[in-house]
Amino acid sequence: EPEVTQTPSHQVTQMGQEVILRCVPISNHLYFYWYRQILGQKVEFLVSFYNNEISEKSEIFDDQFSVERPDGSNFTLKIRSTKLEDSAMYFCASRAGGHPLSGEQFFGPGTRLTVL
Amino acid sequence: AQSVAQPEDQVNVAEGNPLTVKCTYSVSGNPYLFWYVQYPNRGLQFLLKYITGDNLVKGSYGFEAEFNKSQTSFHLKKPSALVSDSALYFCAVSSYQTGANNLFFGTGTRLTVIP
Repeated sequence: EPEVTQTPSHQVTQMGQEVILRCVPISNHLYFYWYRQILGQKVEFLVSFYNNEISEKSEIFDDQFSVERPDGSNFTLKIRSTKLEDSAMYFCASRAGGHPLSGEQFFGPGTRLTVL
Repeated sequence: AQSVAQPEDQVNVAEGNPLTVKCTYSVSGNPYLFWYVQYPNRGLQFLLKYITGDNLVKGSYGFEAEFNKSQTSFHLKKPSALVSDSALYFCAVSSYQTGANNLFFGTGTRLTVIP
């Protein structure tokens, strides 16, 4: 069964450093997402991506964040200058198509980012 | 503003007993409701969804959920729990209020099924 994969599983970085979190969505999917979950809190939407551009983003997704689909298979989230409060589990998700509200999203296992 | 509440952080149930994991929501317009499950070191896995129609929806692994519009609830149920059901369960909603393209999640409920 196809799965969304994410690397690395755990990333430790120093405050102010840049990090890139990588995701490989399911191959025939068209819509891609990043979510995050701060420890003990709810899963929060960051950004959605379709047709090589951002289709929607939350207030969390400020100028320090960017996303890219560099090669048709990978989907990356870059944080330019990490802050302590960026420490969280980051989930990538993808969706095949269909109605945007009712189509299920398939999630990866997450990358735990720890900013020291 | 939209919200999803999972009032119980932890639910314990004996194997073979029925289980319920509660979820209530608040959103403008018609809600689209989802349940996801997360096993250790795995991503969120889709269980079931309510879009429209029959209020009782059936999903994977014998789970079902009942949409109750008057109580704005979407509780997850299973008639007979298995030890393998032990996991973290998330309720989520989408609507034109949350944005046309994203899910709004609850904080999750950890289900432990005791042998």
